[in-house]
Amino acid sequence: GENVEQHPSTLSVQEGDSAVIKCTYSDSASNYFPWYKQELGKRPQLIIDIRSNVGEKKDQRIAVTLNKTAKHFSLHITETQPEDSAVYFCAAMDTGRRALTFGSGTRLQVQP
Amino acid sequence: ETGVTQSPTHLIKTRGQQVTLRCSSQSGHNTVSWYQQALGQGPQFIFQYYREEENGRGNFPPRFSGLQFPNYSSELNVNALELDDSALYLCASSGQGNEKLFFGSGTQLSVL
Repeated sequence: GENVEQHPSTLSVQEGDSAVIKCTYSDSASNYFPWYKQELGKRPQLIIDIRSNVGEKKDQRIAVTLNKTAKHFSLHITETQPEDSAVYFCAAMDTGRRALTFGSGTRLQVQP
Repeated sequence: ETGVTQSPTHLIKTRGQQVTLRCSSQSGHNTVSWYQQALGQGPQFIFQYYREEENGRGNFPPRFSGLQFPNYSSELNVNALELDDSALYLCASSGQGNEKLFFGSGTQLSVL
């Protein structure tokens, strides 16, 4: 089955700096890669996703890159703000199975 | 458009008991998936329902079972509760042919 590894487990940055979270996956059949943000006690919220036929996608301060050959993908947050503080999860899906395999999460803390 | 709703929000049970968790999918979504999120970890796929039938299952024992109803709402049933079943149980819905999953706020289950 699929295995998704995520690092770092914790990340502390100063407000205005950039943050990068990296994930690797094992199953070459995976073709959909979403990122979720989960604040304490709240639901995971889909913030951006990318499909395997695309190398990069950007939405305002958030971008995701995908390297299919190396089987890794990354989340980039620029101009971080205190409200970006949360746990971020990467995930991978084989759309034939429609089941997400999640990474273990990154706790991002943005210091004001 | 209404989001994914789950009930109850919190539940306390004792070992050996049975529990039923409920989920209403987002308007227009016909596929429901259930995930277990242990403290400090990423969600793990339990199973998925489509057209009232189980359509994929993760590595969970048969005492985890479910139902989907004609209105696409769903139940997760867990029999013979164990201490390790203590977790946040998340329901997610998606539309036909769309891999984007939208999560509910979850049910926090504590097994004593």
